[in-house]
Amino acid sequence: DAGVIQSPRHEVTEMGQEVTLRCKPISGHDYLFWYRQTMMRGLELLIYFNNNVPIDDSGMPEDRFSAKMPNASFSTLKIQPSEPRDSAVYFCASSLDTGGNTEAFFGQGTRLTVV
Amino acid sequence: GQQVMQIPQYQHVQEGEDFTTYCNSSTTLSNIQWYKQRPGGHPVFLIQLVKSGEVKKQKRLTFQFGEAKKNSSLHITATQTTDVGTYFCAGPTSGTYKYIFGTGTRLKVLA
Repeated sequence: DAGVIQSPRHEVTEMGQEVTLRCKPISGHDYLFWYRQTMMRGLELLIYFNNNVPIDDSGMPEDRFSAKMPNASFSTLKIQPSEPRDSAVYFCASSLDTGGNTEAFFGQGTRLTVV
Repeated sequence: GQQVMQIPQYQHVQEGEDFTTYCNSSTTLSNIQWYKQRPGGHPVFLIQLVKSGEVKKQKRLTFQFGEAKKNSSLHITATQTTDVGTYFCAGPTSGTYKYIFGTGTRLKVLA
């Protein structure tokens, strides 16, 4: 398996534009997580899904952020409208609950810059 | 909400010296995971501890889960330059999969 795949790797956009980040989890994994990383706030959990269903979105900062998982192999994180303070690295991670080890595999991340 | 703090925030050591990072959660955790993130990279899983008081070793790395399942530590013996990076602990409150990451400890190893 190629691991968790995120696209794009880098995104530069102007304030007010819509941004869509994409994630393909590892095949067979039943959990998917979206994290945001900044120097100031560290690694923040935004939302996580189990079997394509959002379980906890309490980390989503505002209504400008939305996430979907239409099927087991694809998820999106959308920011509309984007603001400079949304600049961060966004990571997607997936895991499989084997009844013991719930190791999360992270994608390479999307570095978002909003100017 | 759940908070996970790590100390120290930064640590510079001479190659060959030992290193320890401590992780403290405001809530009881069902398990604790440790990750390493190299500069410019993504977090990579190191280990998971589940039982109260559990100790696990991976070569020069020793991981410990506290008796109350609210704290953990990672100890590296005789650091090497390849140990450079930021070490994170992460854990969910019991009954959830809401993995909250600690604040991280950035390790620099001077050759």
